[in-house]
Amino acid sequence: ETGVTQTPRHLVMGMTNKKSLKCEQHLGHNAMYWYKQSAKKPLELMFVYSLEERVENNSVPSRFSPECPNSSHLFLHLHTLQPEDSALYLCASSQTGQGSYEQYFGPGTRLTVT
Amino acid sequence: GQNIDQPTEMTATEGAIVQINCTYQTSGFNGLFWYQQHAGEAPTFLSYNVLDGLEEKGRFSSFLSRSKGYSYPLLKELQMKDSASYLCTMNSGGYQKVTFGIGTKLQVIP
Repeated sequence: ETGVTQTPRHLVMGMTNKKSLKCEQHLGHNAMYWYKQSAKKPLELMFVYSLEERVENNSVPSRFSPECPNSSHLFLHLHTLQPEDSALYLCASSQTGQGSYEQYFGPGTRLTVT
Repeated sequence: GQNIDQPTEMTATEGAIVQINCTYQTSGFNGLFWYQQHAGEAPTFLSYNVLDGLEEKGRFSSFLSRSKGYSYPLLKELQMKDSASYLCTMNSGGYQKVTFGIGTKLQVIP
């Protein structure tokens, strides 16, 4: 247990569906991240939030829409996805300011788009 | 641009020592992380090096050379549970500027 939880753990959705991924951190951190992990590719940073403000958006298609209502919760809203969006989606949190900013990851959501 | 290069796979014997090399290029550099990721699990933090040299933490050490753009973790007295991917990860400026390498899949054999 890293103190970061994600739901659901597995999700299968059609290309016309709308679904949301949820992440919650219990570590008192003030930054949260969404990553995509595909086979044989490095972790790809999608979005970063600090104190509920989005501070990084790495050219992610608009069919992915993040939401950070408070510093403990992060959502990723999905709509009209493509089969190539099938991947493991990882949420992470860290503290900003002084220090090493090491990230604590949730277990991930395994997404399959059919 | 930013680039991280590490071998995709390595094999080592239980009880041995293994070093996983990582080279990187970046226009800005704050420090280098190593994360461990077991198959089907999330990455977990191992180390963060800012200054040149070797930092030791039990069976695990991590080395950094900023001038050469080079880092490695050193795992001693290898155990079967050390079989995992090791992710070389660059911090190029602040908490939000983190780039992960593809990871080196280490297999420990008896």
